[in-house]
Amino acid sequence: QQPVQSPQAVILREGEDAVINCSSSKALYSVHWYRQKHGEAPVFLMILLKGGEQKGHEKISASFNEKKQQSSLYLTASQLSYSGTYFCGTELSGGSNYKLTFGKGTLLTVNP
Amino acid sequence: DAGVIQSPRHEVTEMGQEVTLRCKPISGHDYLFWYRQTMMRGLELLIYFNNNVPIDDSGMPEDRFSAKMPNASFSTLKIQPSEPRDSAVYFCASSLYAQPQHFGDGTRLSIL
Repeated sequence: QQPVQSPQAVILREGEDAVINCSSSKALYSVHWYRQKHGEAPVFLMILLKGGEQKGHEKISASFNEKKQQSSLYLTASQLSYSGTYFCGTELSGGSNYKLTFGKGTLLTVNP
Repeated sequence: DAGVIQSPRHEVTEMGQEVTLRCKPISGHDYLFWYRQTMMRGLELLIYFNNNVPIDDSGMPEDRFSAKMPNASFSTLKIQPSEPRDSAVYFCASSLYAQPQHFGDGTRLSIL
């Protein structure tokens, strides 16, 4: 089941904050976040595991709400370099079947 | 270190022709994934391998698509015969179990 991302698109001015949500109708084992710039390959940002802590790196962080089967990606004090499409990939179960299902993405545009 | 290498980067061919996409994963990675990306459907998992063995091919659209991994350093995705609706960007990714997936630069396929 494909996770649902919201919003589909967001436009910011440099320095503003944004939140991107990823929701699943099924119980999740982990959530992976990737960013893809136009014409390039997706690049890994972070993984959140069931029962794990909120993760973050500088001004980009994420959380995983197991009760709601939802993950949120937080971008604070956005920079021009944050522009791109953000994808969440969800894993339903642990074990050797390491398979991600990606949402349709959220297009983030940061303007000067 | 070399990343995931895909070839060709671009392929334009006529409907009905056989298309072969190639992928060299990162050395040491035991998972290999083939994805297709379109505007309408987003990033879809077609098939993935673990230790060169196909684990889940439920995403392969139809019998015209086939994938092989004859050894740990090479995989192919074939489409025969190709159709215009197969036009998309095809990504190969590799990883260790439950670790970030590293994507290749993709093959942009156009079927005329």
